[in-house]
Amino acid sequence: DAGITQSPRHKVTETGTPVTLRCHQTENHRYMYWYRQDPGHGLRLIHYSYGVKDTDKGEVSDGYSVSRSKTEDFLLTLESATSSQTSVYFCALRTENFEQYFGPGTRLTVT
Amino acid sequence: EDQVTQSPEALRLQEGESSSLNCSYTVSGLRGLFWYRQDPGKGPEFLFTLYSAGEEKEKERLKATLTKKESFLHITAPKPEDSATYLCAVQARFGGSGNTGKLIFGQGTTLQVKP
Repeated sequence: DAGITQSPRHKVTETGTPVTLRCHQTENHRYMYWYRQDPGHGLRLIHYSYGVKDTDKGEVSDGYSVSRSKTEDFLLTLESATSSQTSVYFCALRTENFEQYFGPGTRLTVT
Repeated sequence: EDQVTQSPEALRLQEGESSSLNCSYTVSGLRGLFWYRQDPGKGPEFLFTLYSAGEEKEKERLKATLTKKESFLHITAPKPEDSATYLCAVQARFGGSGNTGKLIFGQGTTLQVKP
């Protein structure tokens, strides 16, 4: 158990509203990731962080931003939610031997 | 382009009927190949990392093997509790993926084991 929690676990929101998802780790891993999982697309990387205030884009970053002000917290923000962002979002952390451990996920529905 | 393909998409087995799942990959230098198990409504659960061709790892009824082009997840005498989606992912040593630690996932194989 890598000690990763995500909140909220479920959220329904309306198109055009901002949404922030939180990922929290109880350990001190430098690398953290946000993925989305959709049928037919599998898991795709949105953004990642390689340290406090150090973040970069993944392959599906449009419409998303991230922030990491503390090692333990990695936030994903949907600036103006759209129906195409309805998905299951997973946070992950990477250990020193490059293994990634995933959180329980957040199921987001944009109506 | 780095790519991962898993087959079959779905597999139904009777309890005790052994089989294998396949993960074919192309990557610009392999840093590691990872197997995960995912149950409905949950996050992927880490199973194994394989780093080089010829390497094997075992855990209970599961055994993962690696060649230069593919990996197999062998399931021996499966039980209903082994029912899940099994995901394969690779991390490249070079290029953008090598710097980010990004995992490239296959679509997964959904395994159903009937009693």
